[in-house]
Amino acid sequence: AQSVSQHNHHVILSEAASLELGCNYSYGGTVNLFWYVQYPGQHLQLLLKYFSGDPLVKGIKGFEAEFIKSKFSFNLRKPSVQWSDTAEYFCAVNAGNNRKLIWGLGTSLAVNP
Amino acid sequence: GAVVSQHPSWVICKSGTSVKIECRSLDFQATTMFWYRQFPKQSLMLMATSNEGSKATYEQGVEKDKFLINHASLTLSTLTVTSAHPEDSSFYICSAPNPVADRKAQYFGPGTRLLVL
Repeated sequence: AQSVSQHNHHVILSEAASLELGCNYSYGGTVNLFWYVQYPGQHLQLLLKYFSGDPLVKGIKGFEAEFIKSKFSFNLRKPSVQWSDTAEYFCAVNAGNNRKLIWGLGTSLAVNP
Repeated sequence: GAVVSQHPSWVICKSGTSVKIECRSLDFQATTMFWYRQFPKQSLMLMATSNEGSKATYEQGVEKDKFLINHASLTLSTLTVTSAHPEDSSFYICSAPNPVADRKAQYFGPGTRLLVL
């Protein structure tokens, strides 16, 4: 069965620190990969996505993620976080043309000003 | 854009009553919508896939007679929690892919917080 694991459940950083959130998935075929963000009291928003092509994808608000097929990973990065990045971050995967998303458990990021 | 709305945003009801939650795609047509449940500080749990013009597909362990889904039009899906009990209290979220703009990504509604007393 497909699964998604996010290694960091809670991350606390100071402003300007660099961020990397891990995401690994288990599925051998073609996958579509997503990172969603949920700011406090707000709904889920798409941060970035990978379907094909350049494995380094850039999203909104300075976030980027790199798809490493050999490692089944899609880690999220940001070189310098801000207090406003405090949120829950979810990695999700769907396989091929299947629209059903498989979700990671999420990572709670707190950025101290 | 790809805007999905939900109504109501929050609802409090007595145990034993039924509650209907609406999910609308405002600027696109959605033949498929997804209903999720999210517990505090936890990930999303897919409950069912709503299909316009046909029966919903429920995930394992989700009671279809308790969580009635109707996808009456290309812009509206409803989730009815029948005979609600306190354990049904949760945050319910719908999503839909926008096949025109980006068929693979899903766009989420703001969620409906249900509290059953």
